[in-house]
Order: sequence, then C-alpha cells, then structure tokens
Amino acid sequence: AQKVTQAQTEISVVEKEDVTLDCVYETRDTTYYLFWYKQPPSGELVFLIRRNSFDEQNEISGRYSWNFQKSTSSFNFTITASQVVDSAVYFCARSGSARQLTFGSGTQLTVLP
Amino acid sequence: ETGVTQSPTHLIKTRGQQVTLRCSSQSGHNTVSWYQQALGQGPQFIFQYYREEENGRGNFPPRFSGLQFPNYSSELNVNALELDDSALYLCASSLAGGTGSYEQYFGPGTRLTVT
Repeated sequence: AQKVTQAQTEISVVEKEDVTLDCVYETRDTTYYLFWYKQPPSGELVFLIRRNSFDEQNEISGRYSWNFQKSTSSFNFTITASQVVDSAVYFCARSGSARQLTFGSGTQLTVLP
Repeated sequence: ETGVTQSPTHLIKTRGQQVTLRCSSQSGHNTVSWYQQALGQGPQFIFQYYREEENGRGNFPPRFSGLQFPNYSSELNVNALELDDSALYLCASSLAGGTGSYEQYFGPGTRLTVT
C-alpha cells in the first residue's frame, strides 16, 4: 500500500504561535496529487489544498503555507499566527491515477487561548 | 458548505441488520466516493462510482455495496452489520474527466452505530 504518514498525533500550541504539521508519503505513481483537509469537531472534512506532483512550488494562502519536497516525499503544512479556530484534526492525503484518496492518520491540533 | 448532502445524520442498528446510506453530490459533479472513518483514524476508501459504474474499490468485503443514479446521487449499502462497522461514513463528490480537477468535496457524514 502507498502510505501517508503523519507522525505527529497531537500538537498543542498557544495562540499566535506558528505550527508545522508534517506529512510524508509513499508513491509508485509518476503523476500523483497531494491534499490537506481539515476536520473540525463537526466531522465534515474541509478541503484546504491540492498539489500536483509536477508542481513543486510552495504555496501561501493567508496564514496557511505548504512546503512540497519531492526529494524527501514530504508535503508539510504551516499555520502562521495560529488562532483558536484552527483547532481541528488535519489530514494529509494522496491520490494517484486511481483518484481514490489515501489518508494519513491525522494530527490533532489544539490552539490554546 | 460543499453542496454535498448525506442522510441520515445518525443511525443506530443491530448486528446482522442491513443499512442504506444516501449521498447527493455537488451540482455538476459526476463522481462519488465513499469512505469509512473509524474513531481516531483517517478515512478509509470503500469505493468510487463514476457515471453509474463502480470505478475502484478499497479493501472492504462484498457486503459493502453501492449504487450511483443518473442524477449522480449515490447509496452505500451494508449487509450483515458487524460491531466493527460502527464509524462515520463520508461521501465525497468530484468532477472527473476532461478538465475535471478531481478534487473531492465531502459531505457531513453519517454516524453509524452498530450494537
């Protein structure tokens, strides 16, 4: 199986701190896609970003940024100046030609006021 | 709001029973995928339907089956329920083919409890 590993099970930070969530993936596909989803306590998975394997440009969206490094098979997610509303479980996922998502086990982020 | 809806929200069933979960995809999407998320784990892929045909299946037994209708809505059926089937069932819709981006947008899920 082509796994996605999120080694950090739980992270706790104080509001306004920066936090990085790690993601390492395995793939045999030449073309693949990487994703981050946020799951608040309500349960619905909220799409955050998709990256294509042929586009290694890092991306910034407001307080969120993503660092994609093919050489280390990593796709890390950084939240700058964290807020209490960022508290959620964050999932990294990959898909290949089959288009089905393989998720990591998630990282529970708690932002304390 | 993704426009993906699922029903029911919660369901309690007894071991051995059968259950049907429903999903309405986002307008314009032609693909529906189903995932099972056990407590404290990441979602696991069950299967995907594209234009009413099964288009991939994860490591789930045949008692998990599905349908996709001409309007691209979908059903997930589980027969002979087991205690381990207790989970959050998530439906995701996407646009495949042509210029489709294949990004999957999830519904709120159905929480199934098997007793």
